Amino acid sequence: GENVEQHPSTLSVQEGDSAVIKCTYSDSASNYFPWYKQELGKRPQLIIDIRSNVGEKKDQRIAVTLNKTAKHFSLHITETQPEDSAVYFCAAAGTYKYIFGTGTRLKVLA
Amino acid sequence: GAVVSQHPSWVICKSGTSVKIECRSLDFQATTMFWYRQFPKQSLMLMATSNEGSKATYEQGVEKDKFLINHASLTLSTLTVTSAHPEDSSFYICSASGTSGRVSYEQYFGPGTRLTVT
Repeated sequence: GENVEQHPSTLSVQEGDSAVIKCTYSDSASNYFPWYKQELGKRPQLIIDIRSNVGEKKDQRIAVTLNKTAKHFSLHITETQPEDSAVYFCAAAGTYKYIFGTGTRLKVLA
Repeated sequence: GAVVSQHPSWVICKSGTSVKIECRSLDFQATTMFWYRQFPKQSLMLMATSNEGSKATYEQGVEKDKFLINHASLTLSTLTVTSAHPEDSSFYICSASGTSGRVSYEQYFGPGTRLTVT
């Protein structure tokens, strides 16, 4: 079946450094790739997304890249801050259903 | 815009009882609503998808007779956990999509409902 692999499961970085989270999807029909940040006990919040007709998208300190051929997409956070600490989920969507990755717990150390 | 609410935000119930969770789209018409379950330190797992006025489509392994979903209007879907057991304790999150998103199937998430079955 469809699945999305996400790595790493945990990531610790020093404040100011960059963080990279990678996802791989299996369904070649996927064409929309959102990234979510989730704090404990709260709803996932969309932080950035990319569609399959675009290879890269940036929004301030956050960027996402997509390699459709390899079925890889990545989240890049630069100049990390303590408030970036949270769990991040990638997702892949083909028609209407989202398949979520397993999540990455990011800790930004002050 | 695109606000989704859930009620209650948390609930404690006794084993064997039923619990109903409501999901509402406040400022848009949700043609499709989704119900997810999230266990501690795990990802969101889709339980079922419902379209207004039709029966829900359940994911493999989700018991449709235990998790009753009703999507009676374009702004309201309900999930009823019947005969709840402690293993049903989880964080239940709904999402909704409609015609107002930038992407036609962009999902907007509710704040979640923490269910604890004692």
